[in-house]
Amino acid sequence: EAQVTQNPRYLITVTGKKLTVTCSQNMNHEYMSWYRQDPGLGLRQIYYSMNVEVTDKGDVPEGYKVSRKEKRNFPLILESPSPNQTSLYFCASSLGTGGWDTEAFFGQGTRLTVV
Amino acid sequence: GDSVTQMEGPVTLSEEAFLTINCTYTATGYPSLFWYVQYPGEGLQLLLKATKADDKGSNKGFEATYRKETTSFHLEKGSVQVSDSAVYFCALESYNTDKLIFGTGTRLQVFP
Repeated sequence: EAQVTQNPRYLITVTGKKLTVTCSQNMNHEYMSWYRQDPGLGLRQIYYSMNVEVTDKGDVPEGYKVSRKEKRNFPLILESPSPNQTSLYFCASSLGTGGWDTEAFFGQGTRLTVV
Repeated sequence: GDSVTQMEGPVTLSEEAFLTINCTYTATGYPSLFWYVQYPGEGLQLLLKATKADDKGSNKGFEATYRKETTSFHLEKGSVQVSDSAVYFCALESYNTDKLIFGTGTRLQVFP
């Protein structure tokens, strides 16, 4: 089954404790992206990647890191989480070599709480 | 920069009512336009898309027409069901930056 898998689904952590949210897709997609969803703000792009070893900042990259060592995986790293990073996070992937002109597949989301 | 504006929700309707959710966009070039749906506790799923002016996207009884003259992509359904209750996101693919840009989402609640 074609899917994007994120882990964990729920995470509560303390300020400053490094964490990684994993994302894996089994569709051989080139494009992958991370979004955060906040009430009243919709989805905002954090980072995206157009292929292995190619990543770029989205609209809200501060406080986040990503890597794309393999085509299928695109982990999101919070080196020193802060309460303002409490949010619902989504990973997405797409086949389109021209961008997102083909369907984007989303993971089920990771609800992160930083206390 | 490119942006998407959606009507604020929630939109509350009775079953079998007509639905319109407004979406307008600002973009350079000719973006592709999308509607995504998010059911409770799930990720987003593509509902429909249109890639050029006057195209109509349709799926599951929902329709939206790419109107370049009014820079709009309004979502419509003739008769909603309780199972359509979800959050609906309008989005565009930025022509210059390969980004997928979302609106803020509109929550639809359908009551029997």
